[in-house]
Amino acid sequence: GQSLEQPSEVTAVEGAIVQINCTYQTSGFYGLSWYQQHDGGAPTFLSYNALDGLEETGRFSSFLSRSDSYGYLLLQELQMKDSASYFCAAQVENKLTFGTGTQLKVEL
Amino acid sequence: DTGVSQNPRHKITKRGQNVTFRCDPISEHNRLYWYRQTLGQGPEFLTYFQNEAQLEKSRLLSDRFSAERPKGSFSTLEIQRTEQGDSAMYLCASGRGAEKLFFGSGTQLSVL
Repeated sequence: GQSLEQPSEVTAVEGAIVQINCTYQTSGFYGLSWYQQHDGGAPTFLSYNALDGLEETGRFSSFLSRSDSYGYLLLQELQMKDSASYFCAAQVENKLTFGTGTQLKVEL
Repeated sequence: DTGVSQNPRHKITKRGQNVTFRCDPISEHNRLYWYRQTLGQGPEFLTYFQNEAQLEKSRLLSDRFSAERPKGSFSTLEIQRTEQGDSAMYLCASGRGAEKLFFGSGTQLSVL
C-alpha cells in the first residue's frame, strides 16, 4: 500500500522558519507535491519535486531525497496567514496519494 | 482561468437517498479527479478521468459510487443509497498532469 507520514501539528512564531517533514512508502513513485489548505478552503498547490534537491518558490522551499523516501517543506519569514494545514502528496503514476496533513499554527 | 467550480457547496440528505454532485474543471485541463476528505484527514483518491475516459477507480470505492464525464468537459459524481459513512467533503480537481492539481471548493455532504 501507499503511506505518507507527517507530524500532526507544528507551532512557530511570526517571522520564524519552520520545516515540515514527510516520509513516504509507495511503489511507482514519480514525485512529491505539497499543498496548503486553510480551514474550510480548497487545497492549493505549493510545489512539486520530481528530482532530488531543493526547489525554491518565494518564501517556500521544498526538498526531496528519493533514496531516503523523504521530503520537507520549508517556510521562511512566517506570517499569520500561513496558519493552515499542509499536505505532502506522492505522485504514483497518474494520481496523488495524500498524507494526513500537518496543522501549522503561527503565533505572535 | 476561472478555476474549478463545484455544485452544490452543501448537501444534506437522508440515509438511503441518492445524491449527485457536479464539477466544472478548468477548460484546458484534460484530467479530472474526484477526492473525498473527512475532518483531520488528507484527501482520499476516488477516481480520475482523462478526457471522457475513466481510467482509474479506487478499489475502496463502493459500487454505490459512480462518476461520469460526458464529452470530456464537466463531471458528475453520484452516490446511490447514501449511508452516514458517506458524510464528507467531496473535492474535484483538474490538471494537465497529476503533479499539479487545481482543486474546487468542494461539496460538503451530510447524511442524516
